[in-house]
Amino acid sequence: GQSLEQPSEVTAVEGAIVQINCTYQTSGFYGLSWYQQHDGGAPTFLSYNALDGLEETGRFSSFLSRSDSYGYLLLQELQMKDSASYFCAVSRGSSGSARQLTFGSGTQLTVLP
Amino acid sequence: DTAVSQTPKYLVTQMGNDKSIKCEQNLGHDTMYWYKQDSKKFLKIMFSYNNKELIINETVPNRFSPKSPDKAHLNLHINSLELGDSAVYFCASSQRGQRAGGNTIYFGEGSWLTVV
Repeated sequence: GQSLEQPSEVTAVEGAIVQINCTYQTSGFYGLSWYQQHDGGAPTFLSYNALDGLEETGRFSSFLSRSDSYGYLLLQELQMKDSASYFCAVSRGSSGSARQLTFGSGTQLTVLP
Repeated sequence: DTAVSQTPKYLVTQMGNDKSIKCEQNLGHDTMYWYKQDSKKFLKIMFSYNNKELIINETVPNRFSPKSPDKAHLNLHINSLELGDSAVYFCASSQRGQRAGGNTIYFGEGSWLTVV
């Protein structure tokens, strides 16, 4: 089977830094993605890690440790507009097959003024 | 230009009815999906098509039938709707074999289905 775990809620203030953790168990792991979803909106892609280490994209960074089956999304200089749900998702499949993306249950981030 | 568009955005219907949700993508992607998001925001894949061929069919009731007339379209037909079918249904697309970003999936805006 497969499972992903992430905190259900995180609260932080504007300007702060917040880290959303994700642990996973799956076979045929290829990589870990992060998606953002505002209330009433569509999930949108933020980042992807296939190799161990940190990927930085502006205020957002994502980290992966394959040996620990663990990753996190780091959001810096938080802004009110960052209030949203954040989903980690594992990409898995066998060689030559279609990759399947399985989502975690999401973390609701609330940014306070 | 909307990359992945789905209609209708809102749908309220009675139990037992049959309804369809249409989806189109103009990104030139070869893979399309249907995801269901429940009231707890859990996002679960239902189906995946690659070049009009069904490649992923998760455990969903057979009342749900996807149809892909071409690789830019993936429609979802639901028969005999039940209260538990109330959810947001997201159509999405991606390009198979895309290395950058892994499985970067582009979602439509969702179709909010309410069964009463």
